[in-house]
Amino acid sequence: QQQVKQSPQSLIVQKGGISIINCAYENTAFDYFPWYQQFPGKGPALLIAIRPDVSEKKEGRFTISFNKSAKQFSLHIMDSQPGDSATYFCAASSAYNTDKLIFGTGTRLQVFP
Amino acid sequence: GAVVSQHPSWVICKSGTSVKIECRSLDFQATTMFWYRQFPKQSLMLMATSNEGSKATYEQGVEKDKFLINHASLTLSTLTVTSAHPEDSSFYICSARLGRNQYFGPGTRLLVL
Repeated sequence: QQQVKQSPQSLIVQKGGISIINCAYENTAFDYFPWYQQFPGKGPALLIAIRPDVSEKKEGRFTISFNKSAKQFSLHIMDSQPGDSATYFCAASSAYNTDKLIFGTGTRLQVFP
Repeated sequence: GAVVSQHPSWVICKSGTSVKIECRSLDFQATTMFWYRQFPKQSLMLMATSNEGSKATYEQGVEKDKFLINHASLTLSTLTVTSAHPEDSSFYICSARLGRNQYFGPGTRLLVL
């Protein structure tokens, strides 16, 4: 119930392509869904976040798509660049326990020139 | 904005010694901070939630006498790994909450010999 399932585990994309990472959840109390980017040896950095009342949110080349009925959300990275190579984590939290972020297992993205 | 720092970034110590890690929110006040542990190629594991002026809340399986947490001010939380052993070697990351977001520090790599 508390899990957030993330796929794929790893992803290889050509420069200029679209990277797509998917996450699914079961707990309908989740109402806040952030994405984090983590480079090796560094802490995660908040990329973008979405709430269930919005189906899509875009910030630069990063877009979150949200499907409330399917309990799924995804991160799209347009025009992927080698500098985007990192591990991406989706996460979720609920209004009943805003302190607890439930993380996905992570996706290692490699963008080749 | 929303910058979190950690010190030190690297620490190597002998088995049996104690190590203190500091986490600071540099440009905002955080009543709640979090400590995570991350093993190689894995997701973040929440160890404890640190609230300013009160005792930390530890996750199941985390020894509170082993991992001492002090949240002395609205911008500083510390994690002390007491009597460290090689199995405590890991990447420790703190975060600070601002609204619904958690902003992470750069992490501290601990190696216990």
